[in-house]
Amino acid sequence: DAGVTQSPTHLIKTRGQQVTLRCSPISGHKSVSWYQQVLGQGPQFIFQYYEKEERGRGNFPDRFSARQFPNYSSELNVNALLLGDSALYLCASSFPSGVGELFFGEGSRLTVL
Amino acid sequence: AQKITQTQPGMFVQEKEAVTLDCTYDTSDQSYGLFWYKQPSSGEMIFLIYQGSYDEQNATEGRYSLNFQKARKSANLVISASQLGDSAMYFCAMRVGGGSNYKLTFGKGTLLTVNP
Repeated sequence: DAGVTQSPTHLIKTRGQQVTLRCSPISGHKSVSWYQQVLGQGPQFIFQYYEKEERGRGNFPDRFSARQFPNYSSELNVNALLLGDSALYLCASSFPSGVGELFFGEGSRLTVL
Repeated sequence: AQKITQTQPGMFVQEKEAVTLDCTYDTSDQSYGLFWYKQPSSGEMIFLIYQGSYDEQNATEGRYSLNFQKARKSANLVISASQLGDSAMYFCAMRVGGGSNYKLTFGKGTLLTVNP
């Protein structure tokens, strides 16, 4: 079975540009979460979507937005990029039962110049 | 607010020996879950083990065990018989609440290096 897939894997943008990151969850998983991992730090929660509704939002500015589609895939958008947005963006999916462990993709590594 | 503290930025262990990675947590909630994840250089976070706050027995998964001391608010990961492939970043994380809330709070991680 396919795991969580993310695209693109690497990308370079300049300050002020906009970026869209994509995520496909594991089949059957209805919850998708996004995390930002700055170099040398643990992942920080950005958003969680469940059944296409936003269920949680971390302490990130309004430049960050996301949505979940009917097939449960998700997009993360970041506008007006800043140098500090350079990070590994991780998408995770989870099954609605069990202990709630998250299954992560390999991430999208964003560099802002 | 929830907080996870991992005080060991880096740890070294000889192959085939056991190693303990420390994790302390802070929350005022009575119901919570504690997770350990492994992150190789590829970037993917790999789920290792889970401990619920009401679980009386320490969790075990193969070579991984979780030393859960609720009164001390600690949830240390023990890796037995270390292997070279265990070299990676290890993150402790906590989930508060339940239902469809899947937010995890992570610590800063510990870089484990297994020496041959």
